[in-house]
Amino acid sequence: GAVVSQHPSRVICKSGTSVKIECRSLDFQATTMFWYRQFPKKSLMLMATSNEGSKATYEQGVEKDKFLINHASLTLSTLTVTSAHPEDSSFYICSARTRISAYEQYFGPGTRLTVT
Amino acid sequence: GNSVTQMEGPVTLSEEAFLTINCTYTATGYPSLFWYVQYPGEGLQLLLKATKADDKGSNKGFEATYRKETTSFHLEKGSVQVSDSAVYFCALSDGNNDMRFGAGTRLTVKP
Repeated sequence: GAVVSQHPSRVICKSGTSVKIECRSLDFQATTMFWYRQFPKKSLMLMATSNEGSKATYEQGVEKDKFLINHASLTLSTLTVTSAHPEDSSFYICSARTRISAYEQYFGPGTRLTVT
Repeated sequence: GNSVTQMEGPVTLSEEAFLTINCTYTATGYPSLFWYVQYPGEGLQLLLKATKADDKGSNKGFEATYRKETTSFHLEKGSVQVSDSAVYFCALSDGNNDMRFGAGTRLTVKP
């Protein structure tokens, strides 16, 4: 149980285009989802926290107009990278948390974004 | 705020060697503690966890004990294998905020 999927696993896009990454909790309801960014050989950096049905809370330094997060249902959150640039190339990981088990987060497999 | 300090490495060991990766934390209250493993190009996999003081988490030969008196959660394995080569993250969760991660420790095990 507690499986989180991400789609796509890899995406290559051209500079200036937008890319949407989906994060789904497959067998549980996720009241809170988190989006992380991981630079090569670095730890995870929290980008934003989203609760179902409300606006995401962004960490300091993360551009909310560039990284659009939508948590439309208890099983789906999306991250849209708008007007992507090469510096947005990174590994993006989502995680989900339930109300029942607030201490634990379940992580998706990650999405590798390459902007050319 | 909550934070995790982790031995950064990299760590290189020979097969069957003993492994210790140190992790200490700072937190208010009674957090849960975790170790995650990340293989190249993949996401994080939960390796083990402990939810209260003196709990020992274990999985696949790895162990870590939640020590409140020393605020530590060191990861150990008695005999590492080449397949254990990966990056290991220590993490903390207080149930209210996001999970806090250590910097990660890259382990390479040579045959």
